[in-house]
Amino acid sequence: KAGVTQTPRYLIKTRGQQVTLSCSPISGHRSVSWYQQTPGQGLQFLFEYFSETQRNKGNFPGRFSGRQFSNSRSEMNVSTLELGDSALYLCASNLRVAGELFFGEGSRLTVL
Amino acid sequence: KQEVTQIPAALSVPEGENLVLNCSFTDSAIYNLQWFRQDPGKGLTSLLLIQSSQREQTSGRLNASLDKSSGRSTLYIAASQPGDSATYLCAVIWNYGGSQGNLIFGKGTKLSVKP
Repeated sequence: KAGVTQTPRYLIKTRGQQVTLSCSPISGHRSVSWYQQTPGQGLQFLFEYFSETQRNKGNFPGRFSGRQFSNSRSEMNVSTLELGDSALYLCASNLRVAGELFFGEGSRLTVL
Repeated sequence: KQEVTQIPAALSVPEGENLVLNCSFTDSAIYNLQWFRQDPGKGLTSLLLIQSSQREQTSGRLNASLDKSSGRSTLYIAASQPGDSATYLCAVIWNYGGSQGNLIFGKGTKLSVKP
């Protein structure tokens, strides 16, 4: 059974650009959530989607957005990138809301 | 404010030792608690999930306990091996009335098992 797949794994952008990250959940999982991980702040919740609806949103500026498609795949977008957006972005899926979470390998974003 | 705390931030032990990692959380109205492992530069691997109605869960050499009244969970690792070296993260979902919030993570304990 395939795990959570995130693409791209690594990317480098410059300030002011935008980026789109993709996440394919485990087959049958309808809930997808996103987290940002930095050395200083640790893991912080970005948002959660269930059946194409945003169920929960963390305390991040509006530059961070996401969506979920009918096949449960999810994307997150960060516009007008800042140096502080450099982080490992992790996607997780679960079979049901608040169930056991399974994480992908992450997308490491570097903003220069 | 709901928070998850893990102490110590780092731990080094010799191979073969039994060890305990600690996690404390504010507010006992949790829905569940999950322990993860993270290797450098990698994603998180789920180790154990404890529902609020449970006291402990076991998987191989790992045993996690939950004491809601004291706001604590422990992860016990028996007969530690160098391959257990990683960062261990504790995360909690709290109840909000009839619904559940998102997962709140501790900062983790970085474990090093020396051969």
